Parts: sequence; C-alpha cells; structure tokens
Amino acid sequence: DAMVIQNPRYQVTQFGKPVTLSCSQTLNHNVMYWYQQKSSQAPKLLFHYYDKDFNNEADTPDNFQSRRPNTSFCFLDIRSPGLGDAAMYLCATSSRTLGADTQYFGPGTRLTVL
Amino acid sequence: GQQVMQIPQYQHVQEGEDFTTYCNSSTTLSNIQWYKQRPGGHPVFLIQLVKSGEVKKQKRLTFQFGEAKKNSSLHITATQTTDVGTYFCAAMDSNYQLIWGAGTKLIIKP
Repeated sequence: DAMVIQNPRYQVTQFGKPVTLSCSQTLNHNVMYWYQQKSSQAPKLLFHYYDKDFNNEADTPDNFQSRRPNTSFCFLDIRSPGLGDAAMYLCATSSRTLGADTQYFGPGTRLTVL
Repeated sequence: GQQVMQIPQYQHVQEGEDFTTYCNSSTTLSNIQWYKQRPGGHPVFLIQLVKSGEVKKQKRLTFQFGEAKKNSSLHITATQTTDVGTYFCAAMDSNYQLIWGAGTKLIIKP
C-alpha cells in the first residue's frame, strides 16, 4: 500500500544533542511537509518542499533544518534540541493540484528531550 | 493573516448522542478540509468542501460549507466509541498551505 513512513516512531535525546527524524513516501507526491504538534494543539507547519523548492515558515526557529535528497525522502534536523522542542513531529505529503491539496500524514515521531 | 476559529474546544457526549463542531473565518475560503485525529494517532483526511452551500455525507457524518464560504460544520449522528478523537477543520490559503482550526475533542462519557 502507498504510504508515508516515519522513523523512528519514538526518539529520546538529550538537551542540546542533535537529532534527525526521517520521512519516506511511496505516494510519489511532489510536496512534503514537516509539522510540529504539541499536546492538545493543532499541527504547526515548520516548512515544506514543493519538489526541490524549500519553503520555510517565518516563525520556524533556525534550530530546525530540513533536507530532501530525492522525491521519496525528507529529513528534519534539530541542531540543538531544547526542552520546548519535545513534541510529536508529523510528516505529510500532497500532490499539489489547483484547488485541492489533501495531505496524507505519517504516523509521527514523538520526540522526548531529557 | 488568515485565521480559522473552531468551537467548541471539547465536547462531552453520551454514546448515542449527536456531536457538532463549527469552524468560522472572517474571510471567504477557497475550500475547507476536515481531518480526524485519534488519541495517539495522526491526522487523517476525511473530506474536502469546495462549493458554496455544499453538503456531503459519510455514513453518520454530515459536512456543510456555508453559503458565503466563511463557515463549515461537521455533525456526527448517534456517536459511537469509534468516533472518539479530535476533529480539525483546515482551510487552504493562497499559497496552498493549510490554516488549521484549534480542533474539537470528542469525548464519550462513560
């Protein structure tokens, strides 16, 4: 089945220790998104790739970086995680067409910062 | 920037009772999408509404888009335990990004 896969599902890191989260998709969608979701809140968009074009949200901290080496994979790098970065990180994909942009989410990676 | 207000934040119902969540915007929306997120899960796309006054049904779920395309609602008839979760509306902005409502958490009373 076509899907969005995130690894790992759970990640524990220490304060200030870099961490990388990965996302892969078999949907062949041209857009990939990274969201941060904290408890009882809506997902917050960090950035997205439209093909190879990187789009950063204005309020995304510099501590967060992303890479998309090819259509199928996208990575989220947190250079120096702080306690406030503990959250669920969701990857999503879409096949952008005019007037329709349904997003398909992966299961998420829950990040704990000690 | 564009905002989507969603109410209520929580709704407690007895199993078998109905549930409704509402989304409102001060600006006209090109479309609105609805997602469901089960506890511990990820958002799952339910439906997209595009046309003014559109009404769509999925079994016990009824989705409406207002005539002015500024509001939308999701109504669940005769809730079941499988309906538990948080329901989000999300509107697409001119840059194809989703503007999310805060979500309504459906809680079934024991």
